[in-house]
Amino acid sequence: AQKITQTQPGMFVQEKEAVTLDCTYDTSDPSYGLFWYKQPSSGEMIFLIYQGSYDQQNATEGRYSLNFQKARKSANLVISASQLGDSAMYFCAMREGFDKLIFGTGTRLQVFP
Amino acid sequence: GAGVSQSPSNKVTEKGKDVELRCDPISGHTALYWYRQSLGQGLEFLIYFQGNSAPDKSGLPSDRFSAERTGGSVSTLTIQRTQQEDSAVYLCASSLGGVGWGYTFGSGTRLTVV
Repeated sequence: AQKITQTQPGMFVQEKEAVTLDCTYDTSDPSYGLFWYKQPSSGEMIFLIYQGSYDQQNATEGRYSLNFQKARKSANLVISASQLGDSAMYFCAMREGFDKLIFGTGTRLQVFP
Repeated sequence: GAGVSQSPSNKVTEKGKDVELRCDPISGHTALYWYRQSLGQGLEFLIYFQGNSAPDKSGLPSDRFSAERTGGSVSTLTIQRTQQEDSAVYLCASSLGGVGWGYTFGSGTRLTVV
């Protein structure tokens, strides 16, 4: 069974609009962490935001926020006020305890003027 | 160092040759990970080191793949008798470990087997 599921292979958004990238996960471990990474065309992996399973509030980092719905096992990334430079692949990932990060298949976001 | 360093950045090799890919993690990061990313695909886990030991090698695709880490620092991923399906970007990442610590990735080695 997939541990991390990203159902949107591609998304389009107009500049300055907000966009939500979906991520659902599957785990029975009560202690886990959820991460989002951005991968521009240059190929580097850039850490964006982290949410711990015990965190009471949704994580925010600048224009990025994580909509964490624990009961639904979803951890959607919200990007506000999209910019052309946000065009990239976005990967959701999960770590259970001290284990490795498991990545989803990614969503390609394209921001148009 | 300031970041995770991988070398070479690009490697073209003939089918059947052996290759070595190097990763120099961030100083003090005890955990080191290798992933593989084929063109347009997600990240496939290969192996994880904690210090010099590898508690999880479950992602190595075949016995042609091996990795070691020395001094709790530099790691080498070796692919023997390369095949065309080994062509991919090999990414290394390091971390302080623990559930709340994300990875810092290197820029990757693009391996092309011809």
